[in-house]
Parts: sequence; C-alpha cells; structure tokens
Amino acid sequence: QVQLVESGGGLVKPGGSLRLSCAASGFTFSDYYMSWIRQAPGKGLEWVSYISSSGSTIYYADSVKGRFTISRDNAKNSLYLQMNSLRAEDTAVYYCAREAAARSYFQHWGQGTLVTVSS
Amino acid sequence: EIVMTQSPATLSVSPGERATLSCRASQSVSSNLAWYQQKPGQAPRLLIYGASTRATGIPARFSGSGSGTEFTLTISSLQSEDFAVYYCQQYNNWPRRGFGQGTKLEIK
Repeated sequence: QVQLVESGGGLVKPGGSLRLSCAASGFTFSDYYMSWIRQAPGKGLEWVSYISSSGSTIYYADSVKGRFTISRDNAKNSLYLQMNSLRAEDTAVYYCAREAAARSYFQHWGQGTLVTVSS
Repeated sequence: EIVMTQSPATLSVSPGERATLSCRASQSVSSNLAWYQQKPGQAPRLLIYGASTRATGIPARFSGSGSGTEFTLTISSLQSEDFAVYYCQQYNNWPRRGFGQGTKLEIK
C-alpha cells in the first residue's frame, strides 16, 4: 500500500533553515508528481509546492517563493523541502502528498511533520 | 486566484441523519473539485474527486454533486466516524490549487 512518511520537522528560530524529507513506498515513486501542503495550527490547508515526476517542473506558492526549494531523488524514493529564511507564519504541519495524475488532486497524504518557528 | 468558500463553518447533525455541506468557487472550476475528510491529529483523506466520483474505499453514503461554481457533499446517514472537518479543493486553476476553509461536522 502507498506510504508517505515525513521527517525533519522541529523547532527553529526565525531566519533559520530546515530540511524536510518524505520517504515513499508502495508505488513507483518516479512515475508520480508530488506536492507539499501545510496546515497552520487550527487553520486550513495551503498548497506549498509541486514537483513533476522527473523533477523538471517545479512550482511554489507565492508565500514561499524564493525561500523554499522542493526536490526529489527518485533513486531513493524521496521528496524534500529545503526551507530557508523561516518566519513565524511558516509554523505548520507539513504534509507530502502524491498527486493522482497531471494537473490533479491529492490522492495520498503522509502523516505530516510539525515545523515550529519561534524565538 | 480562485477563492473557495465553504458553508456552513460548523454543522451540527445527529447520527443517522443526512448532512449537506456546500462549497462555492469564485469562478468556474468545471468538475475539477475534490473533497477531503480530516479527523483530529490525522492527515486529510481523499473522499471525492471529479466533483462526484468516490475515491477507493469510500462508503456509498458519501456523495458529491455540482459543477461550475456550486458543489455539494452529502453524507446520507451519519455514522460516528464521519464527524470530522471537510475541505473542498479546486484543481482547475493549476498548480495553485486552493482549498476551502473547511466545514466542521459535529455531533448534535
């Protein structure tokens, strides 16, 4: 069965950096588009970033553009999110999600990893 | 940017009764709409895609309808495990796919 397991969250000071990872199993990772989605405490869902199956096409939400970098390693079945210049408003649970197909919805979600930005 | 608006914010329904949740898009999203269920401390789970197609393993009591700008999620006979927060999401305006703010379905 499809499994997505995020890691790398934690407490970081404003202006700091953090790298999230998402380990995928149960499907052919290199065939699928992936995204990161976040959820601030007690709030709704916000799409953060998308990467195509090959890694050649990448998009970001305006709120993180220039600060976050998405990447993937298909040989390691892993998705990453490098987060720099972190702000208090980046505090959230970060989910990795597998897309159903191109230009599509989020078919499978990981359990999430909490990122807290605070001094 | 397409804005998704869900109503009501909170819906109180008794077990066994029908629940009807609404989602409105600020412009047409065709049938490119999904619904997700989220329970406390859990990740969202896909319920409906294409506005009306149930995802794998989703019980038949969940149904979706609508197109364009007006959408509805109906749960025909509420079970205890259905009390959760429900989000709609458009994927017509890709890749910046917006979510509604959620409807909390609580036990009456």
